[in-house]
Amino acid sequence: GQQLNQSPQSMFIQEGEDVSMNCTSSSIFNTWLWYKQDPGEGPVLLIALYKAGELTSNGRLTAQFGITRKDSFLNISASIPSDVGIYFCAGRDQAGTALIFGKGTTLSVSS
Amino acid sequence: DSGVTQTPKHLITATGQRVTLRCSPRSGDLSVYWYQQSLDQGLQFLIQYYNGEERAKGNILERFSAQQFPDLHSELNLSSLELGDSALYFCASSSHPDMPTNEKLFFGSGTQLSVL
Repeated sequence: GQQLNQSPQSMFIQEGEDVSMNCTSSSIFNTWLWYKQDPGEGPVLLIALYKAGELTSNGRLTAQFGITRKDSFLNISASIPSDVGIYFCAGRDQAGTALIFGKGTTLSVSS
Repeated sequence: DSGVTQTPKHLITATGQRVTLRCSPRSGDLSVYWYQQSLDQGLQFLIQYYNGEERAKGNILERFSAQQFPDLHSELNLSSLELGDSALYFCASSSHPDMPTNEKLFFGSGTQLSVL
């Protein structure tokens, strides 16, 4: 079935550094969503993207819907300890069925 | 708080048993989704219901079934449980399944199932 490739799998950074992660698909997507999951909790929606080329910010987070419609990027600027968690990309292809999730990027921030 | 309620939070059972996981969607949301999260497989879509009817099916085993009731809460039934069924099971809800390009999923806190 449809798969999303999310990278990197994990990141270890210093507080204050910027972070970038991305997600690619084998087919064209109409929707890209970025979620964050804390331990013991469900994923929480960070940013939603619906148009190719769209660039959307949520505080220190910025995400982009790739022009090819087969990828998306999430950037976190000036990371802080509470940014620690697992970040998931999710997308919906043209068939319009349920959201498909990447395997996540685990972010660790040291102070 | 996402507004999606899942119970129980933890469930420990034995192989061969049957369990029921319950989900109450956000107020006003008509669509409910079930996802399974395991360490090696990430979040896997199981099944979606919209206003009581099955809408989409993912990688759901035949031993698993779900339904959505008139009050819109949903139950996921897992039977003949195996060790490999141990995972986090999430329910999510959304309000606009007929407008996929505007749909956002809101997740509950999950049910941790341990099959011993």
